[in-house]
Amino acid sequence: ELKVEQNPLFLSMQEGKNYTIYCNYSTTSDRLYWYRQDPGKSLESLFVLLSNGAVKQEGRLMASLDTKARLSTLHITAAVHDLSATYFCAPTGIIFGKGTRLHILP
Amino acid sequence: KAGVTQTPRYLIKTRGQQVTLSCSPISGHRSVSWYQQTPGQGLQFLFEYFSETQRNKGNFPGRFSGRQFSNSRSEMNVSTLELGDSALYLCASYPMTGQGTQYFGPGTRLLVL
Repeated sequence: ELKVEQNPLFLSMQEGKNYTIYCNYSTTSDRLYWYRQDPGKSLESLFVLLSNGAVKQEGRLMASLDTKARLSTLHITAAVHDLSATYFCAPTGIIFGKGTRLHILP
Repeated sequence: KAGVTQTPRYLIKTRGQQVTLSCSPISGHRSVSWYQQTPGQGLQFLFEYFSETQRNKGNFPGRFSGRQFSNSRSEMNVSTLELGDSALYLCASYPMTGQGTQYFGPGTRLLVL
């Protein structure tokens, strides 16, 4: 059974700082998805990583995938308040991590 | 292209009742999956349908069931509601099973009293 572990589960950080969210998973998967959820809203796709070593960037967010280590990271550069949300990873696409609630302080 | 729609958006039921939730996928998408989201358990997979066939099922009791119609619209049913079934139920659609980004609907918020 696939297990997905995200950490941290909660992160409060200052604007302008950098930080990384980690997503570890227990069984082989050749793809991984990152989603964002704003409070009271549904999930929105951020990145699809389809191979080992894949790296995708959109604005201040960059995601990477290491299928051998069963690890994906979501790196936030120079955080801004608008990035406050909960971020989910989903190896295979249907099993999700518990989410990382990101709160960026102005 | 219209997004995923879910009806109703909000629902209040009492214990023991049953409920049916509906999901209309994005036009052309043949796969639909359902999730239950609660503060304690997070986002949990319920089931996945492709071309009217259930392809995957999560670890939920038999009170939770679903189906998909020939037009790809899907319904999920929960019988004999329990207080713990209070949750946000999300539906997502995608073109083919097991592939590609899922596009999520706005969800149905169910409150069981």
